[in-house]
Amino acid sequence: DGGITQSPKYLFRKEGQNVTLSCEQNLNHDAMYWYRQDPGQGLRLIYYSQIVNDFQKGDIAEGYSVSREKKESFPLTVTSAQKNPTAFYLCASSMDISYEQYFGPGTRLTVT
Amino acid sequence: GQNIDQPTEMTATEGAIVQINCTYQTSGFNGLFWYQQHAGEAPTFLSYNVLDGLEEKGRFSSFLSRSKGYSYLLLKELQMKDSASYLCAVHRGSYIPTFGRGTSLIVHP
Repeated sequence: DGGITQSPKYLFRKEGQNVTLSCEQNLNHDAMYWYRQDPGQGLRLIYYSQIVNDFQKGDIAEGYSVSREKKESFPLTVTSAQKNPTAFYLCASSMDISYEQYFGPGTRLTVT
Repeated sequence: GQNIDQPTEMTATEGAIVQINCTYQTSGFNGLFWYQQHAGEAPTFLSYNVLDGLEEKGRFSSFLSRSKGYSYLLLKELQMKDSASYLCAVHRGSYIPTFGRGTSLIVHP
């Protein structure tokens, strides 16, 4: 059964700690993306990767970091430098960057 | 900058037709996508337009006018399960996706 998985569904962290959100896909897609979604806001692009071992900053990359060492995996680290980390984080993938995206179920991160 | 505008909220009656508009101003254009997102869930792909005109897919249709920077999503024979947010997304230069804030559609019996 092909798809995208994100874990965990809910994550709680203390301020000042880094936290890594996982994203795995078995769709054999080349492109992967990370978004955050805040109430009343659209999806905002954090980072994207067109191919393994390559990634680009999106519109709101400050305070975040990613890696793309394997085609299937695109983990996102929310660092302590991110000023407002509490949000709903969505990972997506697409066959390549010109195609429609398939989204994971999301991780709701709360930092207190 | 990139700007994508959609109405914040719309209401409609079960069985009716509703049109959700999206206007955009982006640096470059490489296609426009519509996604549906139920509360607390992931968005799912509905439709794609890259050339001017209407694309029909069952009860859902999407229209694009590149010269006007305008698209709409048309939902026919509305059902209660169509209550959701509808997200307009533009692939701008280098195919970088930009999403609008979404339109929350409420369908009443």
